[in-house]
Amino acid sequence: GDSVTQMEGPVTLSEEACLTINCTYTATGYPSLFWYVQYPGEGLQLLLKATKADDKGSNKGFEATYRKETTSFHLEKGSVQVSDSAVYFCALKGGADGLTFGKGTHLIIQP
Amino acid sequence: ETGVTQTPRHLVMGMTNKKSLKCEQHLGHNAMYWYKQSAKKPLELMFVYSLEERVENNSVPSRFSPECPNSSHLFLHLHTLQPEDSALYLCASSPLLAGGGEQYFGPGTRLTVT
Repeated sequence: GDSVTQMEGPVTLSEEACLTINCTYTATGYPSLFWYVQYPGEGLQLLLKATKADDKGSNKGFEATYRKETTSFHLEKGSVQVSDSAVYFCALKGGADGLTFGKGTHLIIQP
Repeated sequence: ETGVTQTPRHLVMGMTNKKSLKCEQHLGHNAMYWYKQSAKKPLELMFVYSLEERVENNSVPSRFSPECPNSSHLFLHLHTLQPEDSALYLCASSPLLAGGGEQYFGPGTRLTVT
């Protein structure tokens, strides 16, 4: 079946540091790929998505590129802020059902 | 209200109680979902409804019983739960079941079973 693997963390960085959170997936066919973010006490919010190979999703300074050859969708940001502290989830949608999520990566940004 | 709302936000119940979680979406979507979020585990898809018809039940124990009376409302009825059922229960909706897959989540109900 479909699966998503991502680094669990916690990942601790200083403000203005570069961020990469790795995500790889296993799926049949050509899934859509997503990054969701969950702030403390809240539900998940869609951060960005990509629906086909080589697409780049971007939002709020975050980017991720759909790499079919490496089955990856790594999340990157050039300069993180304290307000980016949250849990980040990589997810995919293969068929006509719900999303398949990774375990989430807890990101802590220190001033 | 906008987006997806869930009530209650927190619930503590004993193993012999019966309670219900409520989800309402104000987005005009046709598909709704229940997920379970436990510590150190990926989100688990529990139930999927499309146009008020259940289309997926991921081997969820019968002590969880979903209900979708219309496309805007989704309930999760709980009875004789176990302590391991303590978790954050998230509701989500999407425009269609198929398609791009973007889902909109509520804030969740934090359930504690004592």
